[in-house]
Amino acid sequence: AQSVTQLDSHVSVSEGTPVLLRCNYSSSYSPSLFWYVQHPNKGLQLLLKYTSAATLVKGINGFEAEFKKSETSFHLTKPSAHMSDAAEYFCVVSQSGGTSYGKLTFGQGTILTVHP
Amino acid sequence: EAGVAQSPRYKIIEKRQSVAFWCNPISGHATLYWYQQILGQGPKLLIQFQNNGVVDDSQLPKDRFSAERLKGVDSTLKIQPAKLEDSAVYLCASSLAGGPNEQFFGPGTRLTVL
Repeated sequence: AQSVTQLDSHVSVSEGTPVLLRCNYSSSYSPSLFWYVQHPNKGLQLLLKYTSAATLVKGINGFEAEFKKSETSFHLTKPSAHMSDAAEYFCVVSQSGGTSYGKLTFGQGTILTVHP
Repeated sequence: EAGVAQSPRYKIIEKRQSVAFWCNPISGHATLYWYQQILGQGPKLLIQFQNNGVVDDSQLPKDRFSAERLKGVDSTLKIQPAKLEDSAVYLCASSLAGGPNEQFFGPGTRLTVL
């Protein structure tokens, strides 16, 4: 079985300040982990993915995430928020084995608001 | 490279009516997925196709939902009859193969059932 918990439903930051979106996961097998972003009326876009290589993963638009197995976490960060980062972000887990092999399980989403 | 195409983008129907959604995946992608995204929630997988065969439809309400991918390319998802709780965004995604690979999502179809 696999599951994802996004710890904040809403995060609000000022432009130019750091962003932290928190995600914890549960997986019976070695997981692959993803962060997707969804802008209003747009499709989901992949920000970054972890697939058992380097634990610090760099993505598009200055985002990065660190896989911490001991904490079962995969938090998303960005040093300096931009107005265009305002969107909904989804943490996603995919198992590498078992009956749920390859199946994506999405978190509930975190809405990021960026204030000028 | 063209992305995943979906139509229509919006649909409003009354309960007990039927509705169909269409998806054209990225060329060459063998795996196609349909997700349901209810407002305020993350997407939930309804059905996964590998070419024209069903891999996983465990979450598909088969009494009212059906889906097909006859030639292993385009796919249609149908709801008959619709219920109020079917109001959601229906997302189609595709990937080169199954497994923990990146999935590419279409813009979705927003269904409102009155």
